[in-house]
Amino acid sequence: QKEVEQNSGPLSVPEGAIASLNCTYSDRGSQSFFWYRQYSGKSPELIMFIYSNGDKEDGRFTAQLNKASQYVSLLIRDSQPSDSATYLCAVNSRDDKIIFGKGTRLHILP
Amino acid sequence: DAGVTQSPTHLIKTRGQQVTLRCSPKSGHDTVSWYQQALGQGPQFIFQYYEEEERQRGNFPDRFSGHQFPNYSSELNVNALLLGDSALYLCASSVLDGSGNTIYFGEGSWLTVV
Repeated sequence: QKEVEQNSGPLSVPEGAIASLNCTYSDRGSQSFFWYRQYSGKSPELIMFIYSNGDKEDGRFTAQLNKASQYVSLLIRDSQPSDSATYLCAVNSRDDKIIFGKGTRLHILP
Repeated sequence: DAGVTQSPTHLIKTRGQQVTLRCSPKSGHDTVSWYQQALGQGPQFIFQYYEEEERQRGNFPDRFSGHQFPNYSSELNVNALLLGDSALYLCASSVLDGSGNTIYFGEGSWLTVV
């Protein structure tokens, strides 16, 4: 079983709509969870982190964590063409390694 | 406040050669992690250094080695390069303060092995 799983996409979303990105993880002892955005040819950029069950909002971004279901999601409201990128889910496992999923490619349609 | 800096940004090596990549962490950060990212994949954890010691290691062969210096900067060395070592090598820094080990990446070093 892969440690962090994401749908590779591409996920196509009309401009102005809500983009929903999902991630599951296998280590129930994981403590913290991250979303990174990576533009083509660039390094990953941290956009959100979440430690507690529930929702965390930052501008147009909302991270959602459900530890019982081992599920993390990222919602992007009012999607913009500049949001087109690969979104990486990362999990800090119980042995303090940060493990990444393969990423979901998001394409915002103008 | 300088972020994480890496050098070189791009390099080409021949199979069997050795390469050294360098990283300076973000100011105030004492922990450096190295990741390998192949095309179309997520970053794969290589190892982490804290207080000049290798603290954690991922599933990479001994050809991959590293070092951390007293000023917290770090090097990644790869010996006997294979074509499959071609990838983006990312350095990330963090502070182990119990708040979750949030990591910040440098711009990466693109390694091509021919």
